[in-house]
This record gives sequence, structure tokens and C-alpha cells, in this order.
Amino acid sequence: EPEVTQTPSHQVTQMGQEVILRCVPISNHLYFYWYRQILGQKVEFLVSFYNNEISEKSEIFDDQFSVERPDGSNFTLKIRSTKLEDSAMYFCASSPSRQITQPQHFGDGTRLSIL
Amino acid sequence: AQSVAQPEDQVNVAEGNPLTVKCTYSVSGNPYLFWYVQYPNRGLQFLLKYITGDNLVKGSYGFEAEFNKSQTSFHLKKPSALVSDSALYFCAVTGDSNYQLIWGAGTKLIIKP
Repeated sequence: EPEVTQTPSHQVTQMGQEVILRCVPISNHLYFYWYRQILGQKVEFLVSFYNNEISEKSEIFDDQFSVERPDGSNFTLKIRSTKLEDSAMYFCASSPSRQITQPQHFGDGTRLSIL
Repeated sequence: AQSVAQPEDQVNVAEGNPLTVKCTYSVSGNPYLFWYVQYPNRGLQFLLKYITGDNLVKGSYGFEAEFNKSQTSFHLKKPSALVSDSALYFCAVTGDSNYQLIWGAGTKLIIKP
């Protein structure tokens, strides 16, 4: 079964540095999402992306964050000037359409540790 | 505002016994409800969903969930638990106003042999 893949599995970065998290969604999927899960807390929606545009974003997704689909296969989340509180698991997801009957498929996540 | 509650941080069940993981929700409009499972160091795997139709929804690995509109609940169930069912289970909801998934805090399910 096709999978969403995320790289790296673990990223350690100094506070203030920029980090790019990468995702390869399932190939025929059109909608892409980023979520984060701070250790011991709920999964939180960050952003959804369709047709090279952000569809929806949460309050968490401020100017520090950006998303991009640079080459038609990768879907990236960039965090500029990372803060300690950005440490979390970041999950990418994709779905074939925006119909709610189509569940989102998740990658295994990237654990981001900010030192 | 949309919200999901999973009232139990942890559920312990003996292997072979039935299990229930509870979820209640609050959403404006029609609810669309999901259960996902997370194994250690893995992503979230879709188990089942309720969109419309029969209140009893069957999903992967023998799990099912019952949608109860009057109680605003969507409890996850399995008639006979396996040790391999031990994992973290998340309930999620969205309404028909947007497609953001709102997640519960998760319930750790421990199945003891």
C-alpha cells in the first residue's frame, strides 16, 4: 500500500536556526497537511495545502512557518528561526480529495528537537 | 468551537476481553468522526470513520465504533482484545464548515496477556 514518507526521522537543530521538514505524499493525492504533536499533548493541525496554495491554517501557523511543494513530489514545512517550543513530532498527511469521506494518510513523523 | 474529549488517559484490558475506548465530541453541524491508532515511533494509522449512515461502523483490525448522536459519542470497541492492540488511540472530528481535524488527547490502550 502506498505510504506517506517523511525525512528525516529525527532532526536536531540549534535555537534560532532554520529547519526544513520534508514529506513525500502519496502520488495521486492532491491535498496535503502538516500537524504537530508536542510530547504528551494533543495532535494539532497546522496547515492544509492544495493546488500550490494554503487552504487553511491554524493560529499556530504564524509567519515563522511556511510550506512549499517545490517539485511536484515533495511537500516541505519550513520553520524559520526555531524556538525551544517548536520541539515536537511533525506529521505530514495527504488525501486524494477534500471530501471528508477520504481519510488522511499520515507519515511516521519527524521528531524535531530544538536545543 | 469544535472539540473532542477522550476521558481516559489509559485503558487496561486483559487479552480476550472486550475493550472500549471512549470519545465524545462537540461540533456545529454534522460531525465527521475518525479513529486513528499510533504505534510507538510510527505515524497515525486510520482505523475507521463515521460520515453518515449506519451508526455502527466497522474498521480495520476488527475494531468498530458506535456513533451516538444524542450522547455525542463515538466510542471505539473490539469484542476480543489482542496484545498487539496495545497502542495509542486518537479520536478526531471535523464538521461540515471546514476540514481541519480536531484531535482528542489520545488514550493509551494496554492489553495484558
